[in-house]
Amino acid sequence: TQLLEQSPQFLSIQEGENLTVYCNSSSVFSSLQWYRQEPGEGPVLLVTVVTGGEVKKLKRLTFQFGDARKDSSLHITAAQPGDTGLYLCAGPRGTGGFKTIFGAGTRLFVKA
Amino acid sequence: GAGVSQSPSNKVTEKGKDVELRCDPISGHTALYWYRQSLGQGLEFLIYFQGNSAPDKSGLPSDRFSAERTGGSVSTLTIQRTQQEDSAVYLCASSLGGSLYEQYFGPGTRLTVT
Repeated sequence: TQLLEQSPQFLSIQEGENLTVYCNSSSVFSSLQWYRQEPGEGPVLLVTVVTGGEVKKLKRLTFQFGDARKDSSLHITAAQPGDTGLYLCAGPRGTGGFKTIFGAGTRLFVKA
Repeated sequence: GAGVSQSPSNKVTEKGKDVELRCDPISGHTALYWYRQSLGQGLEFLIYFQGNSAPDKSGLPSDRFSAERTGGSVSTLTIQRTQQEDSAVYLCASSLGGSLYEQYFGPGTRLTVT
């Protein structure tokens, strides 16, 4: 059982559509991060959210951290083929705040 | 500037052989992480090093796996007596600190055990 559950696992949409992907847990996290990974490369950080209820915008991407800090969502407006990739959420576990666990990811494919 | 580098990029080995994977982190980054990613899956935490503190080895799947970090810089991940289930991409990352800092990832080493 994944501590961070991501849904959907796979999403294929047309260019210009909107979408939301989710990251859920039964545990409270002090912060959550979203990364995007393209084939053959390591993940790249998109955003870190630290406050319950926080909303952060990065161009066409909107990130939200749940009020109870157990879940997060990523909304993409007017998706483009360049948004294609594996979207991963991650959060710290254990003492010290270094050990990081990742969800299994949402694989997004945006068709032109 | 230089990012995180890993070598080799690909490694094919026979079952039962030992392998060493290398990670060169970004200079000045005190934290270094190893993860394993199976095909199409998320990242599985293996181990992290932070400064001079004892490493957190809680994610290592068996005693065949070990890692060291020399001089607070380069790290090697060693897998002894490799098994087919060890086949995966092994990713290394470094950062300036803990969970609020960005982890910078290398391109990974793709390990195939035949």
